[in-house]
Amino acid sequence: DAGVIQSPRHEVTEMGQEVTLRCKPISGHNSLFWYRQTMMRGLELLIYFNNNVPIDDSGMPEDRFSAKMPNASFSTLKIQPSEPRDSAVYFCASSLDLSTGELFFGEGSRLTVL
Amino acid sequence: GESVGLHLPTLSVQEGDNSIINCAYSNSASDYFIWYKQESGKGPQFIIDIRSNMDKRQGQRVTVLLNKTVKHLSLQIAATQPGDSAVYFCAEKKSAGNKLTFGGGTRVLVKP
Repeated sequence: DAGVIQSPRHEVTEMGQEVTLRCKPISGHNSLFWYRQTMMRGLELLIYFNNNVPIDDSGMPEDRFSAKMPNASFSTLKIQPSEPRDSAVYFCASSLDLSTGELFFGEGSRLTVL
Repeated sequence: GESVGLHLPTLSVQEGDNSIINCAYSNSASDYFIWYKQESGKGPQFIIDIRSNMDKRQGQRVTVLLNKTVKHLSLQIAATQPGDSAVYFCAEKKSAGNKLTFGGGTRVLVKP
């Protein structure tokens, strides 16, 4: 299995631009999570989906952030407009069994907003 | 790498020695406690978990201990190897929900 696939791995953009991060979960996994990692705040859950439906988006910082999961094999996290404080590594993770805490993480998308 | 950097507590350990990584959790309602390992440039990787009705669980070269009285979790790595150099995170969740809350992380450096 290829694991969770994220793109792009690195993105550098200017303040005000739209950023779209993409994720392909592991086939058969029915839950998908978006996390953000920074030096100051560590790993933070932004949103998670179960069976393509957003369940908890309480971690989404503000209206500039949105996430979609149009089908079981694809999700996007969009930031519009981006700001320098959005610079972070964004991880996507998927899970088959939510009774435990075993998530499978992608390698992350490092975002730098200038 | 992409993991949290400069302000992490760091544990330096000699290759072959045992490592003990500690974590204090806050939510007494949590039902699962999990340890993740994050190598430089990669996403976190599941190591081992333990349910709240247990106080010890062993895996391959790793042991997790849970002390609910003082809300303390530890990960013991036996015969630490260079490949064990990484940042280690504890995490907690409630079985009724799916939100996994991560701790701040500890960096382990294995000296040859």
